[in-house]
Amino acid sequence: DTAVSQTPKYLVTQMGNDKSIKCEQNLGHDTMYWYKQDSKKFLKIMFSYNNKELIINETVPNRFSPKSPDKAHLNLHINSLELGDSAVYFCASSQRDIALGNTEAFFGQGTRLTVV
Amino acid sequence: DQQVKQNSPSLSVQEGRISILNCDYTNSMFDYFLWYKKYPAEGPTFLISISSIKDKNEDGRFTVFLNKSAKHLSLHIVPSQPGDSAVYFCAGEIQGAQKLVFGQGTRLTINP
Repeated sequence: DTAVSQTPKYLVTQMGNDKSIKCEQNLGHDTMYWYKQDSKKFLKIMFSYNNKELIINETVPNRFSPKSPDKAHLNLHINSLELGDSAVYFCASSQRDIALGNTEAFFGQGTRLTVV
Repeated sequence: DQQVKQNSPSLSVQEGRISILNCDYTNSMFDYFLWYKKYPAEGPTFLISISSIKDKNEDGRFTVFLNKSAKHLSLHIVPSQPGDSAVYFCAGEIQGAQKLVFGQGTRLTINP
């Protein structure tokens, strides 16, 4: 039973289109994220939501609009897709580990977006 | 501004030997450091972490060392096994900031 699942796994689309990536977690976590892994392989946070509320927006263009209908879901909608949006997008959720103190994030398998 | 850096994009190690993956950071505010492992076409999975107040944490074959004065940490895997072949990401966390800052990863290949 997948803990963090995102769909689709692959997405190929033309410039200018609007697309959505869906994410669901069944771990009961309060916090969900979207990360982007670019061509240089850096994994960078885009958004963080806690209990459906936006916590972090890391200077992402407003063409990207996350939506959290409930704390188990965080979808990413992208308007007017550009070539530079091609990347792998990872959804994640987290819970603070009381014993260790740190936050362990669980990641989905990623969505490879290719804009042509 | 890359706060977490993994300067070795790849590393090859013979099976049974020790693998040492390095990570440097610039942000002294990090409270925790975490290592994630990533297989192709999968998301990263948590491996091991260390608090900034410690200098070593061990979990089975995996040990993470932290040198705060040098702003450097390393992950030691011994003995290395073929299943350890993956990309390893180092990440820093500021408690309460609710985000991880990742390095660019090191691809580890274990040769039989």
